[in-house]
Amino acid sequence: QVQLQESGPGLLKPSQTLSLTCTVSGGSISSGDYYWSWLRQPPGKGPEWIGDIYDSGTTYYHPSLRSRVAMSVDTSRNQFSLTLSSVTATDTAVYFCAAQPFDILTAGPAGRFDSWGQGTLVTISS
Amino acid sequence: EIVLTQSPATLSVSPGERATLSCRASQSVSSNLAWYQQKPGQAPRLFIYATSTRATGVPARFSGSGSGTEFTLTISSLQSEDFAVYYCQQYNNWSTFGQGTKVEIK
Repeated sequence: QVQLQESGPGLLKPSQTLSLTCTVSGGSISSGDYYWSWLRQPPGKGPEWIGDIYDSGTTYYHPSLRSRVAMSVDTSRNQFSLTLSSVTATDTAVYFCAAQPFDILTAGPAGRFDSWGQGTLVTISS
Repeated sequence: EIVLTQSPATLSVSPGERATLSCRASQSVSSNLAWYQQKPGQAPRLFIYATSTRATGVPARFSGSGSGTEFTLTISSLQSEDFAVYYCQQYNNWSTFGQGTKVEIK
């Protein structure tokens, strides 16, 4: 299994743009074996899926976040990134990057999150 | 959006006893359901996928069952390392998670 590590600022003000990066080790981000995902978990709640990206650039975003989310892949650095614009206090959460196996039958993400980063807390406060 | 309702919210069990956790979906998710274990300060860890397939390294005392809208995670004999929060996740229609069941020591 691959290992993942999130990085990025931990404190933002309302209306700013959240930017996080996930560094992948133990495998190539362009291997084609995985879809790369972002999830978040507000304090005391269950995880929430944000979106997926494949090394080809194919993306899937949560419908309720689609207008504010963008994901990208940097194969030269073995990293993928998340941006979330116009943040509010409700975006405060631990943000995780994760890996989903590529499903050969559907050519899409398998749906299950096999590997996770340790998570990074992002707080939105004025 | 498919809503997953987990019950109970907290389950108090003695070591060695059996634990049964439930997950109900607001509409059918076929067999596209997974279970994760999360301990404080850690990321969730995949335990079960496709309703009943154990992930790599997961002990045989963990088993999953169900289909459609009703699913169960059973821990046959609780060990000290099993006390944690468990989340169910559906991936039949995008992906959503339940609110979790905390398994605590009785």
